[in-house]
Amino acid sequence: RKEVEQDPGPFNVPEGATVAFNCTYSNSASQSFFWYRQDCRKEPKLLMSVYSSGNEDGRFTAQLNRASQYISLLIRDSKLSDSATYLCAVNGGGGSYIPTFGRGTSLIVHP
Amino acid sequence: DAGVTQSPTHLIKTRGQQVTLRCSPKSGHDTVSWYQQALGQGPQFIFQYYEEEERQRGNFPDRFSGHQFPNYSSELNVNALLLGDSALYLCASSLTGTANTGELFFGEGSRLTVL
Repeated sequence: RKEVEQDPGPFNVPEGATVAFNCTYSNSASQSFFWYRQDCRKEPKLLMSVYSSGNEDGRFTAQLNRASQYISLLIRDSKLSDSATYLCAVNGGGGSYIPTFGRGTSLIVHP
Repeated sequence: DAGVTQSPTHLIKTRGQQVTLRCSPKSGHDTVSWYQQALGQGPQFIFQYYEEEERQRGNFPDRFSGHQFPNYSSELNVNALLLGDSALYLCASSLTGTANTGELFFGEGSRLTVL
């Protein structure tokens, strides 16, 4: 089993739709969780950290489910500009701050 | 505030050659990590440098080596290039210690093509 797994998609949604991605991780000792956004042929950029209590930033909501070992990202009212690849990153735990990335989920928002 | 800068942005090499990629971390950051991202895949951790030492290494062969300089900038060297080394090489900077939030700041990457 891979350390961090994501459905590569693509997820094709119309503008205004709500879309959710999940990311599962294998190391139960993992402490830190993140969602990065990567535009085509660009570098990843942090979208949001994922806290145990869940967190929201505008149209984006991130949640952590430790029992089932997954994190999720919910995007409401999708915009054309949300089209990108969304990478989840999980720190190894045990004092390791090296994030392991999933392969990313591709989102395409169409008019 | 200067972000992470990498050079060169694109390069083409042939099998068996050697390549050196360079990275300057974000101002104030002391830790540099290198990642390899193949097409359609997520970034794969190569190694991390802190205080001019390799602190942690991913599952990459010894052909991949690096260095960190006193000004925190870093180099990634790859010897005996293989076709499979074609990828985007990303440098990420961060802080170590209590200021570490776990967030990585990436450069735009060096896109290596091996023919």
